[in-house]
Amino acid sequence: DTGVSQNPRHKITKRGQNVTFRCDPISEHNRLYWYRQTLGQGPEFLTYFQNEAQLEKSRLLSDRFSAERPKGSFSTLEIQRTEQGDSAMYLCASSPAPLYGYTFGSGTRLTVV
Amino acid sequence: KQEVTQIPAALSVPEGENLVLNCSFTDSAIYNLQWFRQDPGKGLTSLLLIQSSQREQTSGRLNASLDKSSGRSTLYIAASQPGDSATYLCAAHEGGSEKLVFGKGTKLTVNP
Repeated sequence: DTGVSQNPRHKITKRGQNVTFRCDPISEHNRLYWYRQTLGQGPEFLTYFQNEAQLEKSRLLSDRFSAERPKGSFSTLEIQRTEQGDSAMYLCASSPAPLYGYTFGSGTRLTVV
Repeated sequence: KQEVTQIPAALSVPEGENLVLNCSFTDSAIYNLQWFRQDPGKGLTSLLLIQSSQREQTSGRLNASLDKSSGRSTLYIAASQPGDSATYLCAAHEGGSEKLVFGKGTKLTVNP
């Protein structure tokens, strides 16, 4: 069990470019969550998967954002046409069930210039 | 809608002091309440998980309590050390959802 793994750790991109982040959850966890955290704030929920099904999405997840978990294992979060306001830490978490709490990864820091 | 508030926003204490961090939440229909630690620029590390049926959990120098009826949780840190300096976040579920709602955190500085 290597924990929740996120790649890349850091990403700098120019405004208007597309970016994709990857999250590998703990292998036996069927639930996977994406959060976004801006400076000085707590993490905010974006979306979650149970196996390959995307069951809930936040209003924060505009149409430029898309998340997938094609085989119920790893997940990707893509942001199209990035804006400066997308600069944040993107956090992934996994869990076997809400009762057992969440395990977070180290996050991907996105900077849009 | 679940709202989580943490007080104080920042706290500075001398090494060796015992301290309490506070967390309040508005919706008591929670699976559990979880406390996390976050170092600058890093991800979240889970410290303690209190199930909704429990009153407290302990791990080493940390003790967390939960009072669902009043919508409050506290994190007690005994004999604080400089290595405890970090931001501490509490989180609770939104009722009927798997969405975890976080407070803004308490930034703790322990001075040698």
